[in-house]
Amino acid sequence: DIRMTQSPSTLSASVGDRVTITCRASQNINNWLAWYQLKPGKAPNLLIYQASDLERGVPSRFSGSGSGTAFTLTISSLQPDDFATYYCQQFDTYPYTFGQGTKLEIK
Amino acid sequence: EVQLVESGGGLVQPGGSLRLSCVVSGFNFDDYAMHWVRQAPGKGLEWVSGISWNSKSIEYADSVKGRFTISRDSAKSSLHLQMNSVTSEDTAFYYCAKDSSYGGTILRNYFDFWGQGTRVTVSS
Repeated sequence: DIRMTQSPSTLSASVGDRVTITCRASQNINNWLAWYQLKPGKAPNLLIYQASDLERGVPSRFSGSGSGTAFTLTISSLQPDDFATYYCQQFDTYPYTFGQGTKLEIK
Repeated sequence: EVQLVESGGGLVQPGGSLRLSCVVSGFNFDDYAMHWVRQAPGKGLEWVSGISWNSKSIEYADSVKGRFTISRDSAKSSLHLQMNSVTSEDTAFYYCAKDSSYGGTILRNYFDFWGQGTRVTVSS
């Protein structure tokens, strides 16, 4: 199975900060990578697909980059609604696998 | 508006069975593959199973293979997960998710819409 490793596990930041979350795959997945946002009691929300394509309706402060084995999710200016847990997911090969998550907390 | 609504969760004893359902609306169910993803308490997301639009391609995680069965009902626009021989390791929130690809293969597609999930607790 392809192992996805996210860092950091927890990130403390303030409104207006620029934050970056890293995701590494244990083997080459080209750009078959998505990012999701999870909030308690809500349906998970797709943010980024194909490593860098912004899902329709997602604010432009979210961006993704990378290819192969190294990927990043960047939020350019944190807003109060962005405090949540973020997951990367590879969809190159079954079984699809997720990173362990990054919890973004208010500093 | 795309909606996915899961149901069927609850408390089940180890070794027991449970059937989860996910009713969808807002898109043509027959055109898209569908998936189940779960999140155990305090853990991350785990993909469980996926089924193609025509039910001809089905994939399972090793952790559930041989115990869980995914299926779909076109007439009711619903996705199902039959869970047998459950263990405490199956305790989780179960989400259904819509595949992104229109009528395509089950491979290399992400999940563009999700439900809010249904809780399954395996305990005696």
